[in-house]
Amino acid sequence: DAGVIQSPRHEVTEMGQEVTLRCKPISGHDYLFWYRQTMMRGLELLIYFNNNVPIDDSGMPEDRFSAKMPNASFSTLKIQPSEPRDSAVYFCASSLQLAGPDLTGELFFGEGSRLTVL
Amino acid sequence: RKEVEQDPGPFNVPEGATVAFNCTYSNSASQSFFWYRQDCRKEPKLLMSVYSSGNEDGRFTAQLNRASQYISLLIRDSKLSDSATYLCGGYQKVTFGTGTKLQVIP
Repeated sequence: DAGVIQSPRHEVTEMGQEVTLRCKPISGHDYLFWYRQTMMRGLELLIYFNNNVPIDDSGMPEDRFSAKMPNASFSTLKIQPSEPRDSAVYFCASSLQLAGPDLTGELFFGEGSRLTVL
Repeated sequence: RKEVEQDPGPFNVPEGATVAFNCTYSNSASQSFFWYRQDCRKEPKLLMSVYSSGNEDGRFTAQLNRASQYISLLIRDSKLSDSATYLCGGYQKVTFGTGTKLQVIP
């Protein structure tokens, strides 16, 4: 069975350009997460969805970032305009459920999109 | 303050050694936690979930100390293949620490 699929794997763009990252979660997973990873700040949760509805977007850095999930099999993270400090690896992850006392809630990550903004 | 904090390391240990990492959390309401392993330039993958007092899987033991609000990961008989970054986190907001880098040396 296919895992979480992200595209593009690598993107190099110039400051001010719009960047769109895409994610296809594992079929049947109700939760989708977007993370950003840098050496300085580690793995930061940006936003997560449950059944296509954004639940917590408190990690979205600023208005330049937006995320959508138009259906259960597709999500986008958009940065407009991009800045050099947005350079990072962006991971999408999906899970069947959130963990409770007896649940695992394992997150399955995609391979990431490595963004470089010049 | 980050919800989860961990020592970034690196921890350099010889093969066969026992090594332990700690991870502190700030939200006392958090009920369950996890450890993920991330190889260089790869995505994180679940190593262990931690509920109640702890969990053991082969050479790996994860423990939860609610009184002091930390979780630990113990790796016994370290292998070269254990070299990776270990990320802890909590399911309360599915957030991660910055990761602890482990390098096992021959």
